[in-house]
Amino acid sequence: QKEVEQNSGPLSVPEGAIASLNCTYSDRVSQSFFWYRQYSGKSPELIMSIYSNGDKEDGRFTAQLNKASQYVSLLIRDSQPSDSATYLCAVLYNFNKFYFGSGTKLNVKP
Amino acid sequence: DTGVSQDPRHKITKRGQNVTFRCDPISEHNRLYWYRQTLGQGPEFLTYFQNEAQLEKSRLLSDRFSAERPKGSFSTLEIQRTEQGDSAMYLCASSPRSESGYEQYFGPGTRLTVT
Repeated sequence: QKEVEQNSGPLSVPEGAIASLNCTYSDRVSQSFFWYRQYSGKSPELIMSIYSNGDKEDGRFTAQLNKASQYVSLLIRDSQPSDSATYLCAVLYNFNKFYFGSGTKLNVKP
Repeated sequence: DTGVSQDPRHKITKRGQNVTFRCDPISEHNRLYWYRQTLGQGPEFLTYFQNEAQLEKSRLLSDRFSAERPKGSFSTLEIQRTEQGDSAMYLCASSPRSESGYEQYFGPGTRLTVT
């Protein structure tokens, strides 16, 4: 069974701060990594994908991948109350099967 | 591009009944996935189609579950003889051709309640 681990939280940060969300995975042959945001009662919404080691930035979001450490993270700069949601890490195995973590709940306090 | 759609959005059924859900992927997305999600958990992979071919099926998918994707367009997920443990959100997602990336986009889900 492939494992994708996330701290369930909640992670609480003040408005304007940087939120750091982490994810570890068990299979070294994993190729592709994704972050989704899920509001309560809604379906997951894709935020970012990352395929190679290093950082990838998109607006206030930065994804970081370290394949040697089997670690992927998401940084949210200038956090807003509207960022309060559950953030899901997903890992693609063999290019056809996704495994999701159980998510980290983020609370951004005004 | 209207996004992934699912029907119905909510379904309440009695234990032992059969239910069928429909998913319409984003047009020209050739890959389609079904997931099940329960409270506090991430989506759990059920099955995957590339065009009309079912290429991957979770061992968690018992004989009571079946999925089809005729002609490689919409897909259906059927659950026979429903049990209370089947109560969950059933999510469908689609992905473009692999050379375009592997990002998948989710529909709104079908919430199933088995009484």
